Amino acid sequence: AQSVTQPDIHITVSEGASLELRCNYSYGATPYLFWYVQSPGQGLQLLLKYFSGDTLVQGIKGFEAEFKRSQSSFNLRKPSVHWSDAAEYFCAVGGYGNKLVFGAGTILRVKS
Amino acid sequence: EAGVAQSPRYKIIEKRQSVAFWCNPISGHATLYWYQQILGQGPKLLIQFQNNGVVDDSQLPKDRFSAERLKGVDSTLKIQPAKLEDSAVYLCASSLVRHPPYNEQFFGPGTRLTVL
Repeated sequence: AQSVTQPDIHITVSEGASLELRCNYSYGATPYLFWYVQSPGQGLQLLLKYFSGDTLVQGIKGFEAEFKRSQSSFNLRKPSVHWSDAAEYFCAVGGYGNKLVFGAGTILRVKS
Repeated sequence: EAGVAQSPRYKIIEKRQSVAFWCNPISGHATLYWYQQILGQGPKLLIQFQNNGVVDDSQLPKDRFSAERLKGVDSTLKIQPAKLEDSAVYLCASSLVRHPPYNEQFFGPGTRLTVL
């Protein structure tokens, strides 16, 4: 069965610092992988997705993620965090029938 | 293009009462999803519709939850009777189709349910 682990419940970074959010997945076939962001009171917004091909994918708002099959990981990165990036971030794996399985999320706090 | 609409945004009820949530997907999207997001957890799929038919309701607690999408457009999710553990955000999402390679799901703002 599909599963996603986000090891960090909370992360705090200083504005302007780099960011890496960790995601590990379990899936028997080639995974479809996603990162979503959720601001308070808002729905989920897709940041980026990986289906196949280049293992480094670019997304919106300056985010990128790297797929590493050997480590079953899909970590999200941003070189310089802005205060507006404070939100909750969810990694998800997609499987048959367009179903998504989400991790528990990582709450990002940005300190000025 | 209008996004996924949900109402109400917030609802507070007593346990054992009934509640219903409404979702209107993006125009033309054949697939509709309801997710439950309990505080501190990621969203969990409750039910998935393709047009007006159910394609996956394996995680729907059918003794108290029901959902319909009668005309293949908007959808209603009902809880009857509600329990304390049903307190959560209920997210609706839609996508064009459900078959691979994969189609992006677009999410509504959610309905926050509090059961007292």
